[in-house]
Amino acid sequence: GAGVSQTPSNKVTEKGKYVELRCDPISGHTALYWYRQSLGQGPEFLIYFQGTGAADDSGLPNDRFFAVRPEGSVSTLKIQRTERGDSAVYLCASSLTPLAGGPGAKNIQYFGAGTRLSVL
Amino acid sequence: QKEVEQNSGPLSVPEGAIASLNCTYSDRGSQSFFWYRQYSGKSPELIMFIYSNGDKEDGRFTAQLNKASQYVSLLIRDSQPSDSATYLCAVKLKGDTGRRALTFGSGTRLQVQP
Repeated sequence: GAGVSQTPSNKVTEKGKYVELRCDPISGHTALYWYRQSLGQGPEFLIYFQGTGAADDSGLPNDRFFAVRPEGSVSTLKIQRTERGDSAVYLCASSLTPLAGGPGAKNIQYFGAGTRLSVL
Repeated sequence: QKEVEQNSGPLSVPEGAIASLNCTYSDRGSQSFFWYRQYSGKSPELIMFIYSNGDKEDGRFTAQLNKASQYVSLLIRDSQPSDSATYLCAVKLKGDTGRRALTFGSGTRLQVQP
């Protein structure tokens, strides 16, 4: 697609419920990232995929959070037993190649519009 | 100490002035630095990236990197009301050798007064 697409744009749920957030990266981008952004803060890293595998999930806050990318394209972030503290904007980003620390425009991360999750 | 620090602002400048946004980072040896702009309720969009010490210019924007002092700044010349947004500094921290993600500051809110 032309850009990173995230659905739904807004999700309201009740405490204790299960939610799934979807991300469709830019076509051809092998790297996919999930971030979480709370009000007044910058995005906070959650998990990174290279292809189908989760190369780094060190940012996931606890085992209620899980993400998959079964075919190396679309990814789903899953949150079990939601808590009010999970309320935030969940951002997905993709890049052509992984960010390896050196120069190159190929590892620039492009963000989707995000999913605003509200846990009541 | 946060790994990437920014003054939250708001930074208020008159239209046509130069806006100067600063960011410091804790991990000496970090190599990749990015500035994103985020309008309220919208996703971050890349403004500039810089890897080498010195200045990098792109239109009205100039990124400045000083690795010895561990800071990176963004200058916006001829500021316009449409530049009013939150500017996020993002760093690929050297210590995160296995991580391919960015560490963001909390952002500086810029207000350009007409």
